[in-house]
Amino acid sequence: SYVLTQPPSVSVAPGQTARITCGGNNLGSKGVSWYQQKPGQAPVLVLYDDSDRPSGIPERFSGSNSGNTATLTISRVAAGDEADYYCHVWDSSGDHPVFGGGTKLTVL
Amino acid sequence: QVQLVQSGAEVKKPGASVKVSCKTSGYTFTSNVLTWVRQAPGQGLEWMGWISVNNGNTNYAQKFQGRLTLTTDTSTSTAYMELRRLRSDDSAIYYCARDVLGMGGFYFDNWGQGTLVTVSS
Repeated sequence: SYVLTQPPSVSVAPGQTARITCGGNNLGSKGVSWYQQKPGQAPVLVLYDDSDRPSGIPERFSGSNSGNTATLTISRVAAGDEADYYCHVWDSSGDHPVFGGGTKLTVL
Repeated sequence: QVQLVQSGAEVKKPGASVKVSCKTSGYTFTSNVLTWVRQAPGQGLEWMGWISVNNGNTNYAQKFQGRLTLTTDTSTSTAYMELRRLRSDDSAIYYCARDVLGMGGFYFDNWGQGTLVTVSS
């Protein structure tokens, strides 16, 4: 079955740019979405279709997807961005979603 | 606005069953697929299954085959997740989420608040 690989953790200083990667075979041919999950809360959609933002998500959140890697980029990181981030694709062969293992973003 | 409100926390003994509800509002219930995802303590998101509300079609993850049943009640716009023969490793937070079809496949634009299920003797 399809596998998505994320780094377990990423650390960044406030005001800097965080980049969280998601790897998968020929990932660029699929639509990637990203979810932010803060402690004790449900996941929240932050990007879909690789780079589109739902209403209410700041422009600081952007995304790209090419080849075998998708990237969630968070500019001007603030303490409130500290959370777990999960990438996701739809596995059309099994007709089900696949999640990455999640990346813990720490704001130093 | 779209809302998914789940039922409250449950404590069950091993071997028992649990049924979690997900009451939706703010959209046409039969227009979307609903997916169930769980998260064990300190772990990532695990897909369990989905149900197409308009026709009742389901797809279950292989590890839950035979133990999981997803249903809906269109009269109350509520979805249900029943998991049987519970084990201690079924202790987790269970989420329902609404599927939306994008350009590259489905994604989840709204989530329930989660339901904690604890399995303990």
